[in-house]
Amino acid sequence: GDSVTQMEGPVTLSEEAFLTINCTYTATGYPSLFWYVQYPGEGLQLLLKATKADDKGSNKGFEATYRKETTSFHLEKGSVQVSDSAVYFCALKSNYGQNFVFGPGTRLSVLP
Amino acid sequence: DTAVSQTPKYLVTQMGNDKSIKCEQNLGHDTMYWYKQDSKKFLKIMFSYNNKELIINETVPNRFSPKSPDKAHLNLHINSLELGDSAVYFCASSQTRGLNGELFFGEGSRLTVL
Repeated sequence: GDSVTQMEGPVTLSEEAFLTINCTYTATGYPSLFWYVQYPGEGLQLLLKATKADDKGSNKGFEATYRKETTSFHLEKGSVQVSDSAVYFCALKSNYGQNFVFGPGTRLSVLP
Repeated sequence: DTAVSQTPKYLVTQMGNDKSIKCEQNLGHDTMYWYKQDSKKFLKIMFSYNNKELIINETVPNRFSPKSPDKAHLNLHINSLELGDSAVYFCASSQTRGLNGELFFGEGSRLTVL
């Protein structure tokens, strides 16, 4: 079945450091790919998405590119802030069904 | 207006009790979901309804019973609560027409079973 793998962390960075959180997936066909963010005590919010190969999703300084050849959707940000501390989830939605498959989440802590 | 709202936000109860969590979405979406998030933040799909019809029913104990009276509401009833049911339960909705419909989540209902 479909699956998502991402680095589990925790990841601890200093403010203004560069962030990469790796995400790879296994799916049949051409899924849509998502990054969700969960701030402490809150529900998940969509951070960015990409629906076809080579699409780049971006929001709030975060970016991820849909790479079909490597089945990856790595999340990057050039300069993290303390307010980016959260848990980040990579997810896919197959175009054959209505289920969303989530990775295990990566906890990011940014220190001042 | 909150797009996906679930109540209550916190539930503390004894083992063996029965409890319900309600969810409502005002986005006009046709599909609703229940997810369980454990203490390690791992998210697991439990159920999904599309236009009041059950379409996803993962391996969940029979003690969990979802009910969708209409496409804007999806409730979760849990019988005979066990310690292992302690978790945060998230309701979510999406629009399935089109490939790129994303999930919108509620704020979660934290269930603690003592």
